[in-house]
Formats: sequence, C-alpha cells, structure tokens
Amino acid sequence: QVQLVQSGAEMKKPGASVKVSCKASGYTFTSYYIHWVRQAPGQSLEWMGTINPSGGGKTYAQKFQGRVTMTRDTSTSTVYMEVSSLRSEDTAVYYCARVRDGDYYSFDYWGQGAMVTVSS
Amino acid sequence: QSALTQPASVSGSPGQSITISCTGTSSDVGGYNYVSWYQQHPGKVPKLMIYDVTNRPSGVSDHFSGSKSGNTASLTISGLQAEDEADYYCSSYTNSGTWVFGGGTKLTVL
Repeated sequence: QVQLVQSGAEMKKPGASVKVSCKASGYTFTSYYIHWVRQAPGQSLEWMGTINPSGGGKTYAQKFQGRVTMTRDTSTSTVYMEVSSLRSEDTAVYYCARVRDGDYYSFDYWGQGAMVTVSS
Repeated sequence: QSALTQPASVSGSPGQSITISCTGTSSDVGGYNYVSWYQQHPGKVPKLMIYDVTNRPSGVSDHFSGSKSGNTASLTISGLQAEDEADYYCSSYTNSGTWVFGGGTKLTVL
C-alpha cells in the first residue's frame, strides 16, 4: 500500500535550518510528483512547493523562494525539504503529499506530518 | 498568491445540507477545473474529498459533492452526519504553476 513516512519532530533556534524527509513506498517513486504543505498551529494549510521525483524539477511558492530547497534521492525513494533562516513563524506541521493517481492537481496520500518548532 | 476565501465557520443539524464556498480569481478557481477539497479532523492528516471540482475519489461518500460557478467553487454536504464535523479546505491550481489553499472552514454539526 502507498505510504509516505516522514522524519520526526524537530526543535530549532531562530536562524537555523531544518531538513524534513519523506520516504515513499508502495508505488513507483518516480511516477508521482510530491508536494509540501505546512500548517501552523490553529491555522490553515499553506502550499510550499512541489518536486518531480523523476527529473528533479521543482516549483516553489513565491513566499518561500530562496529559503526552501526540495531534493530527492531516487535510490531510497525519499524526498527532502530544507527550510533555512528559520523564524518563529515557521513553527508548523510540515506535510508531504503525493498527487492522485491519474491526476496532477490533487493530493490523495499524505505523510503523517513533521512538527517543527522554532524557539530561542 | 492570496489564499482562497472561505467562510470561517458553518453549521447544520444532522440530516440537513450545508454548502461551503471557496472564492478565488480568474487566475485560479475561475481559470481551471482543478479545485479540490480536503477534510481534516482535529489532529489528523487532511483527506481528499473532491478533485477536479466535481469528482469523488473511491471510498468517499456520495453525500459529498462539488461544483463551480465563475470564480467560486462550492462543497455541498447533504444529509449531515456527526462524523462530518471537521475543518474543510479548498485548493486550486493557479496560472503561475503553483497551488493555493483556502483559509479553511470549521463545520459544526449541531
């Protein structure tokens, strides 16, 4: 069965970086784009960007340009997202999500989420 | 890219029908039939309920339906059930090649 398993919770100081992983299984890794979505406590979902696991092409939300880097490792079927220059407003649950089979525009499988807390 | 506009909350009694709106612009909701809806229970992962404006994934109850008119998409839940109480988010593809979510709507089943 399709699974996206994310790395664990992280606590970081302002100005630091964090790298969250998302390991895929149960399907052909290179056939489905992966998206990253975050949710601050009590807030709505916020789209951050997407990566094509096949060619590595990425698209980022303008808000995160220059501060977010998405990469992938096809040998381990893992996608990574790194956020640099962390500030308190980056405290959130970070989700990876796979596009739906036969589609490109909706997300049907989600990771369990990784809580990132930014605090001095 | 501004978030899509949703009402902060809606409510209804069991068995009733409710509609949640999602308003964007011609650059997102109005320009593409790529609106999706997600249900999120407290502390849980979002679940896809509607894709491409009107389509339900396998396993999603047919008392959920979607539609769109102009720059506004809508999610209708008919025959409300207690387990439908959750937060609902719309999402749309945009003409920048990006995606945008709505602010979310809290559904209360009275």
